[in-house]
Amino acid sequence: EAQVTQNPRYLITVTGKKLTVTCSQNMNHEYMSWYRQDPGLGLRQIYYSMNVEVTDKGDVPEGYKVSRKEKRNFPLILESPSPNQTSLYFCASRDRANTEAFFGQGTRLTVV
Amino acid sequence: LAKTTQPISMDSYEGQEVNITCSHNNIATNDYITWYQQFPSQGPRFIIQGYKTKVTNEVASLFIPADRKSSTLSLPRVSLSDTAVYYCLVGDNDYKLSFGAGTTVTVRA
Repeated sequence: EAQVTQNPRYLITVTGKKLTVTCSQNMNHEYMSWYRQDPGLGLRQIYYSMNVEVTDKGDVPEGYKVSRKEKRNFPLILESPSPNQTSLYFCASRDRANTEAFFGQGTRLTVV
Repeated sequence: LAKTTQPISMDSYEGQEVNITCSHNNIATNDYITWYQQFPSQGPRFIIQGYKTKVTNEVASLFIPADRKSSTLSLPRVSLSDTAVYYCLVGDNDYKLSFGAGTTVTVRA
């Protein structure tokens, strides 16, 4: 089954404690991206990747890092989380040939 | 990327047809029009995509006039489970899919 898998689904952490949210897709898609969704602000792109070892900043990259060492994986790293990073996060992937993106189930992160 | 404008919210009743119009006055020649649906706490889901005229699938229809400066997503005979946020996106196959605020559709019994 074609899917994008994020882990964990829920995470509560403390300020400053490094964390990683994993994202994996099994569709051999070139493009992958991370979004955060906050009430009233819609989906905002954090980082995107056009292929292995090719990443770039989206609209709200501050406080986040990503890596794309393998085509299927695109982890989101918060080196020092802060409460303003409390949000619902989505990973997405798509083929470069079209605009149909596949989204993960979401990760609800709470930083206290 | 072409900017899009769509209503913030729409209300409907079960069994009615819902039409959501999206304006995209500066759409480029290579741009496609894509609609996504999002339920609470779930990731957006692709519904339909078109370039011009009319596209229909098992879920919805997409009407695009000749000038392509707007498009209308039509949801036939909605049910309570169609309550969701609907996003209109315009662009080519570039890397950046930008989601606006979308249209919150509420279907009532």
